[in-house]
Amino acid sequence: GPKVLQIPSHQIIDMGQMVTLNCDPVSNHLYFYWYKQILGQQMEFLVNFYNGKVMEKSKLFKDQFSVERPDGSYFTLKIQPTALEDSAVYFCASSLGRRNTLYFGAGTRLSVL
Amino acid sequence: QQKVQQSPESLTVSEGAMASLNCTFSDGTSNNFRWYRQHSAKGLEVLVSIFSDGEKEEGRFTAHLNRANLHVSLHIREPQPSDSAVYLCAVSRTGANTGKLTFGHGTILRVHP
Repeated sequence: GPKVLQIPSHQIIDMGQMVTLNCDPVSNHLYFYWYKQILGQQMEFLVNFYNGKVMEKSKLFKDQFSVERPDGSYFTLKIQPTALEDSAVYFCASSLGRRNTLYFGAGTRLSVL
Repeated sequence: QQKVQQSPESLTVSEGAMASLNCTFSDGTSNNFRWYRQHSAKGLEVLVSIFSDGEKEEGRFTAHLNRANLHVSLHIREPQPSDSAVYLCAVSRTGANTGKLTFGHGTILRVHP
């Protein structure tokens, strides 16, 4: 099936630093998403993005978070500055339309020390 | 707020025996249900999507939805060891919430040869 690629698979950074998580979505998809999974807990919605704008965000999407997809390239999640509680696996997803199937990447494990 | 519960937490079956997984949800206006599975360190693989009461079959995977009972199930016919994975139920309501899925905690399925 369609592939969503996330780079890198694991990232380790010091608290307070900035981090950017990269996602290469399915090429013809128009909707993009980030989900967060803390170890031992369920995946939770962070944000969705369409036509260059955030459509909806959850309470987990703190002010330190931002998303963008400049020039149709990678869809990115930036955290600045990072906090210890940001340690989690972040999953990127994309879909053709808002009613269509979301296709997920393998996730990026972020460890904030 | 939508609550999605999955049972059992883990399930072990022998190769060839039917595996049945359950998912209950709290928002009766939900109309979009998907079963995903996740092999270790891999992305989520969508198995079957269902949008109305009744059954939907995709190969060896059959979803059964009963919205009145707030219940959706997944049945795996003739499971194989390669089906061992975490199975996730995802629920949403299309409309204003574009692609915002609420996941359960997952069921860990182990298939023994």
